[in-house]
Amino acid sequence: EAGVAQSPRYKIIEKRQSVAFWCNPISGHATLYWYQQILGQGPKLLIQFQNNGVVDDSQLPKDRFSAERLKGVDSTLKIQPAKLEDSAVYLCASSPARTQYFGPGTRLLVL
Amino acid sequence: GIQVEQSPPDLILQEGANSTLRCNFSDSVNNLQWFHQNPWGQLINLFYIPSGTKQNGRLSATTVATERYSLLYISSSQTTDSGVYFCAVDADTDKLIFGTGTRLQVFP
Repeated sequence: EAGVAQSPRYKIIEKRQSVAFWCNPISGHATLYWYQQILGQGPKLLIQFQNNGVVDDSQLPKDRFSAERLKGVDSTLKIQPAKLEDSAVYLCASSPARTQYFGPGTRLLVL
Repeated sequence: GIQVEQSPPDLILQEGANSTLRCNFSDSVNNLQWFHQNPWGQLINLFYIPSGTKQNGRLSATTVATERYSLLYISSSQTTDSGVYFCAVDADTDKLIFGTGTRLQVFP
């Protein structure tokens, strides 16, 4: 069984630029999550989808972050414009029920 | 919200040693998972264990839900066990709250 796929693996941008991350969950997993992990901390949930609907986006900075999950499969997370404090690893996870399975993450550096 | 505390924050072991990692949480939970984040950043699911005891090879975990703690045991540690171990919980919201992690370094 293929795992959660994410791309790109690394991204370096300048502040005020925009960036997008892509996630392909494990086939058949209805729930998809995006997390932000700042260096030295545990992951923090940004947004949760159930199929193509948003379940929880209370921690998503909506003035600059947006996410969508078209057709209930792949998802994209966008930051526009990026700030220095957005430098982090962005992790995507999917779940068939309770157990969450994580992708390799995208490391973002904002200069 | 639920608070999740892990101890110790750092652990240094020689290969072959055993260790116990602890996770305390502040409220009742329906979901508790242990993860290993390897040095390349990949989070690997170790156990889904809201209660009881499970074992997988050299790793085992016990959660005492009534006393709000979970333990992860690593026996005969290997250098490949190095990384950060996270405990994560949720209280029936499907929203995992992660602890601060235990950084483990295993030397040959």
